[in-house]
This record gives sequence, C-alpha cells and structure tokens, in this order.
Amino acid sequence: EVQLVESGGGLVKPGGSLRLSCAASGFTFSIYSMTWVRQAPGKGLEWVSFISISGSDIYYADSVKGRFTMSRDNAKNSVYLQMNSLRAEDTAVYYCASSGNYGGNNPFDNWGQGTLVTVSS
Amino acid sequence: DIQMTQSPSSLSASVGDRVTITCRASQGISTYVNWYQQKPGKAPNFLIFAASSLQSGVPSRFSGSGSGADFTLTISSLQPEDIATYYCQQSYTTPYTFGQGTKLEI
Repeated sequence: EVQLVESGGGLVKPGGSLRLSCAASGFTFSIYSMTWVRQAPGKGLEWVSFISISGSDIYYADSVKGRFTMSRDNAKNSVYLQMNSLRAEDTAVYYCASSGNYGGNNPFDNWGQGTLVTVSS
Repeated sequence: DIQMTQSPSSLSASVGDRVTITCRASQGISTYVNWYQQKPGKAPNFLIFAASSLQSGVPSRFSGSGSGADFTLTISSLQPEDIATYYCQQSYTTPYTFGQGTKLEI
C-alpha cells in the first residue's frame, strides 16, 4: 500500500522556520518525482514545489521562492521542505504527493494526509 | 504563469444527474490537464490524467475531455459519495497551477 506521511508542522511565529518531512513507503520512491501542495484554511489548492527523481531539478512557486527549499533523500525514501522567513499567508495544510510519469504527464497521483502549519504571533 | 479557470464555482445537483465542470487554461496546454476530487477534511484524490485518461480504480461514471485550452470533467450519473470539491490542474509547465475548485452539492 502506498503511504506518504508528513510531519513537522506546528505553530511558528512570523519570521520563523520549520522543516517539513514526508516519509514514503509502498512504492519505488527513487523513480518518482515529488511535490508539495498547500491549502490555506477554507481555500483551494496551491502548488508549492516540485523535485525531480534525482533531485537535480527543483521548481518553486513565486510565493515561496527564496524562502523555501525542497530536497529529497532517496536512501531514506523521504522529501523535505525547509521553510524560512515564514509569513502569516503561509498558514496552510501542507501535502506531499508523488508525481508519476504518465506518458510525459506528471500528475500528483498519491497524497499524504497533510500537516498543518500555522504562522502567528 | 498559466491560469486555470473553473466554472461553475459551485453546483447543486441531484442523485442521478449528469454533471459537467469546465476548466479553461489561459493558453494552449495540449492535454496536460489532471483532475482531482477532495472531500471535506481529506487529502485530494487523483481522478484523471492527460485530460481524458481515468486513473485506475476510479469509477467509470467519471470522464474527462478536451485539449488545447478547454477541458471538461463529467460525472454521468451523480452518486451521493461524489459530493466533493473538484480541481483541475495543468502539468504543462511550472508553476503547476490549479483551478479555484468547483464545489459540488446535492
């Protein structure tokens, strides 16, 4: 069974930092790209970041570029999101998702349950 | 950035109805569109990739169509368990933008 389990969320003050982790199991992690998607309370889905299979290609939404860093460790079947200089508008549930290769398309095919990040003083 | 615009934003329908949700991209994106279903308090669930290909295990009452800039998600006969918010998403280029969502109610 495919499982993605996020951790590391919590309450942080504006300007603070958090590191999210996502542990994968039940599939061959090293051949999947991965992504982070967030959802502010009562709002829609917002793509945050994407990392390729090897980790050599990483992309970010403009809203987090320069503040967030995505990485992966294929030996540990895990991806990470280092979040610095956090703002109130970063408050959201953060989901990690696998991104399989479907004939050149890369949908987000499996999702974790999400971890809540709250940025507030 | 490519904008994805869904319509309607909300929709009320009855069990057994045929339901159609549309998604328009701000530029042509071939068939690089995926659809997701999200039930309240849950993570999104992957339904359709490449505009019209049904993900394994998704009921056949769901279908997708379109290419270029205009796409549709259709539920042929609405079931109570289909109550959710539906999102389109483009995977043509980063940033991988989502539509704003369509909330489906019975």
